[in-house]
Amino acid sequence: GAVVSQHPSRVICKSGTSVKIECRSLDFQATTMFWYRQFPKQSLMLMATSNEGSKATYEQGVEKDKFLINHASLTLSTLTVTSAHPEDSSFYICSANKDRGRNQPQHFGDGTRLSIL
Amino acid sequence: QKEVEQNSGPLSVPEGAIASLNCTYSDRGSQSFFWYRQYSGKSPELIMFIYSNGDKEDGRFTAQLNKASQYVSLLIRDSQPSDSATYLCAVYDFYNQGGKLIFGQGTELSVKP
Repeated sequence: GAVVSQHPSRVICKSGTSVKIECRSLDFQATTMFWYRQFPKQSLMLMATSNEGSKATYEQGVEKDKFLINHASLTLSTLTVTSAHPEDSSFYICSANKDRGRNQPQHFGDGTRLSIL
Repeated sequence: QKEVEQNSGPLSVPEGAIASLNCTYSDRGSQSFFWYRQYSGKSPELIMFIYSNGDKEDGRFTAQLNKASQYVSLLIRDSQPSDSATYLCAVYDFYNQGGKLIFGQGTELSVKP
């Protein structure tokens, strides 16, 4: 069964709206979660690493003020796309490691398809 | 710059054939390798992971790792139309303590009935 839950699965909203996406680990604690973005016909692009109790680590070129990440508990990380514009329309996916230790597989949520009109 | 390379395809095989997907990586220190399957419009799904040189089998899937040559492959036996998807190769960033994965661009597999 699913080990990572992501909500909502789809969002359609007007330009300028802020959108919050939730990522939850099911039945395990995730000190680290990851946020990806994927445009059509392209591979996954890591946006940031979300660390419980501390600031997220953003990849080069990702605006931290645009994409706010909060990892307030060991089972929940949120990504807020602030003042979203049509170019932010994409497929956003989170992931987490179920098992402790390095080199463990990442399990992905079902993703959130964001469409900004 | 650490890289993971895959042939984007599409790779087309007839139903029942063996599909062979290949991946090379640039960081010689890499230790963990993963294959994900992604259906169109869906998120990636873990298929296999391999840490040691050699073969690892799971049902119709076999992952092969050759660290000396820095390549990892995925074989799918008795391919089915339901195997048609994009297959992503991923390697852990050896130097990143946070466990960041580096993904290849994916190989699109099409299994023809």
